[in-house]
Amino acid sequence: DTGVSQDPRHKITKRGQNVTFRCDPISEHNRLYWYRQTLGQGPEFLTYFQNEAQLEKSRLLSDRFSAERPKGSFSTLEIQRTEQGDSAMYLCASSLDYLGQGSSDEQFFGPGTRLTVL
Amino acid sequence: QKEVEQDPGPLSVPEGAIVSLNCTYSNSAFQYFMWYRQYSRKGPELLMYTYSSGNKEDGRFTAQVDKSSKYISLFIRDSQPSDSATYLCAMSAAGAAGNKLTFGGGTRVLVKP
Repeated sequence: DTGVSQDPRHKITKRGQNVTFRCDPISEHNRLYWYRQTLGQGPEFLTYFQNEAQLEKSRLLSDRFSAERPKGSFSTLEIQRTEQGDSAMYLCASSLDYLGQGSSDEQFFGPGTRLTVL
Repeated sequence: QKEVEQDPGPLSVPEGAIVSLNCTYSNSAFQYFMWYRQYSRKGPELLMYTYSSGNKEDGRFTAQVDKSSKYISLFIRDSQPSDSATYLCAMSAAGAAGNKLTFGGGTRVLVKP
């Protein structure tokens, strides 16, 4: 399967613990996005990378959240000192900006990591 | 008020009927419009991708964009029980902000055999 993969698929943690999620994009894709989706809502943008550079962060991404994409390949999203309000599905998407002109590109999503904070 | 509005449903139709879905939006900078299908506890799957106004057809799916009215639609012909899912509209502006997608809340569709 050459689609976007995410690990773990499910994570249950206690409030105050740190968690880290991983996303492996489609291999040739240079853009990688993180979104968060709560029950009954559409996904909300968190941050995105162009290769290894993190170019934008949403105001939803508090100081407890940090994302990295070393070497422009896989990405990790870490949440420190988790709160119950962090419970959500965390979705990763990737795309190929082949025109290099900032035109919109098709984003393909992974299966998501479902986080439950007790 | 949200930038993208979508009726949450559920929308229940008999098998074989046409499913009609729509979204309205307020940001005139949106130029790219997408429809995603999401099954329960799965990631969204891209169905249709259109640029600016007009129609696009792909198999049983037809997407329409009317930028003057800030209104987009998705039609599913000959609906099947396997089409039962949540349908999300999404849109983005060109250029700046990395083409982040702004989603509607999703419409749950039930196709009854």
